[in-house]
Formats: sequence, C-alpha cells, structure tokens
Amino acid sequence: DTAVSQTPKYLVTQMGNDKSIKCEQNLGHDTMYWYKQDSKKFLKIMFSYNNKELIINETVPNRFSPKSPDKAHLNLHINSLELGDSAVYFCASSQRGATEAFFGQGTRLTVV
Amino acid sequence: AQRVTQPEKLLSVFKGAPVELKCNYSYSGSPELFWYVQYSRQRLQLLLRHISRESIKGFTADLNKGETSFHLKKPFAQEEDSAMYYCALKSGNTPLVFGKGTRLSVIA
Repeated sequence: DTAVSQTPKYLVTQMGNDKSIKCEQNLGHDTMYWYKQDSKKFLKIMFSYNNKELIINETVPNRFSPKSPDKAHLNLHINSLELGDSAVYFCASSQRGATEAFFGQGTRLTVV
Repeated sequence: AQRVTQPEKLLSVFKGAPVELKCNYSYSGSPELFWYVQYSRQRLQLLLRHISRESIKGFTADLNKGETSFHLKKPFAQEEDSAMYYCALKSGNTPLVFGKGTRLSVIA
C-alpha cells in the first residue's frame, strides 16, 4: 500500500491552462505539505496544512491554491499556468508533533 | 530564520572511497536535523535523523552544535549510493526546511 500517492505522475499542459494535482495519504497523518523541486533540484516548501491551519510560503504566487476535501487529501490547484511553473511537485505528510515526513513520488509538470 | 546550507552541488568519488557530504545550518533554537535521499526516479525518503544516532546503509551523521553542522559520512562508498542527498531541519511544527541538495556520484 502506497503511503502518500500523487496523481498524475506526469502532466504536460499549455501556458494559461488551469490544472490540479491530487494527493492522498493513508497514514492517518494530520498535516500535509506541498513542495516544489525546481530544475536545479532545489526543494522549497509551498504550503503546509492541517485541519486547522494553512501556512503559505509568501513567495508562492496566488495562482497556486491548496484544497483539502478531507484530512487524507490535499490537492494543488494552479491557475493560468506559466512556463516557470515547470517543476516536480511533491506532496508529503506527517503527524503533528512527529518529525518524519513521508513523501509522494512527485508530479513532473511541464508547461509548454 | 532557519537555513540549511549544502555547499557542494556535486560530489564524485570512486567506489570504496570515503564520502562526506557537508551540511551546515542556522537556527537559534534546538532543531532536529535529517538527511533525506532521492534515488533516480524515486521519491524522497528519510535516510537518518540526528536523534536516532544510528547508521543506515553505512551512513552516519553527527550533530555538532558548536559548528552548527550535520555532515553525512560513509567510510566506503558503493555505486548504489549514487543519489541526491538533502539535509533538512525541523523545529516544532514547522515544515522541513531543505538544503539545496548534493548529488553524489560513485564511480566504479
């Protein structure tokens, strides 16, 4: 059983489109995250979210928005995609108060 | 502010040679430090954490608070160790903060 799963694994889309990446965790964790890994492999936190609090990295454009239908899911919506959004996006989860985070396999987004 | 620095983008060593991947951090409190590894086309996974003081796949890392360092070491590198290695810091309930990563290439 996959602990943290993301779909799709690959996403190719045109500039200006709106797209979503889904993330689900079956670990019973209460906190989920989205990270962006750019072309230089730099991992940067975008959002962290539990059922009470959304923490947004101030450098993230407001075209990006997390949506959590329930505790096990944190989807990433991106509006008006730009070339610079091309990256690998990783979802992760952890239990509040615990230290280890578990990562999904990543979604490679290519904007053309 | 929390910051993790990995000075080397790429480290190439021969098989059987010792490996040291450097990590320095800046944080005023008492952070928890981790090493994560990403093998080719695989997800990021935890390699080890400083509080465990364990050896995983032959790797060890000691937290040096005086030097604010958490270098990753292995006495004899193997080809299967080739991967991206990320040092990460966590404090309280904040998300992990990662360094920029070091690509380790072990040459046969």
